[in-house]
Amino acid sequence: EVQLVESGGGLVKPGGSLRLSCAASGFTFSKEWMNWVRQAPGKGLEWIGRIKSKSDGGATDYIAPVKGRFSISRDDSKNTLYLQVNSLKTEDTAMYYCATATSTTLGWGRGTLVTVSS
Amino acid sequence: DIAMIQSPDSLAVSLGERATINCRSSRSVLYSSNNKNYLAWYQQKPGQPLKLLIYWASTRESGVPDRFSGSGSGTDFTLTINSLQAEDVAVYYCQQYYSTPWTFGQGTKVEIK
Repeated sequence: EVQLVESGGGLVKPGGSLRLSCAASGFTFSKEWMNWVRQAPGKGLEWIGRIKSKSDGGATDYIAPVKGRFSISRDDSKNTLYLQVNSLKTEDTAMYYCATATSTTLGWGRGTLVTVSS
Repeated sequence: DIAMIQSPDSLAVSLGERATINCRSSRSVLYSSNNKNYLAWYQQKPGQPLKLLIYWASTRESGVPDRFSGSGSGTDFTLTINSLQAEDVAVYYCQQYYSTPWTFGQGTKVEIK
């Protein structure tokens, strides 16, 4: 069973930074492309970006509003996905989810809340 | 980007009755090489995280009651909740994972009539 557990969220001031983590288990993490999705309070869902598996080149891809500020990385030895969020803005306040689509199923974490406020 | 449009935006259904939510994608999400539709359905209750209900358009996630079912192919999909229960009050989202960026419907709010 795919299990994903996010951590690292919190309250941060505008312009601040955080590193979110996503611990994975129940599947071969190194083989899968991993995604981050966010949901602002009372709003819909927004895919932020993705990192491919190293065997597929390990490339990352982001939506325009976070390009240059957010960075996705992975440590396959620790089965962990990361999202480094820099230069945070109030509009980045959201629940951040990690997710994956394997060849057999989808997996989502329960999210970690990032609040950007002065 | 593939646009996902749900209908209706909200619906009120009597307890024990059927709720039907539709989702249309702007392009087909059927991958011809494996004949799978890259379409998922989620439930979100107030203050709670997303819960995966259905993937591959019609495969129920483990532990999801069998009153939830998904159907459709290509660009048109349906989530059906048979015999609506009080605990099914929530917002439901469809999502395509055929290509990035993953995109989501705007959500359908299901209430009790």
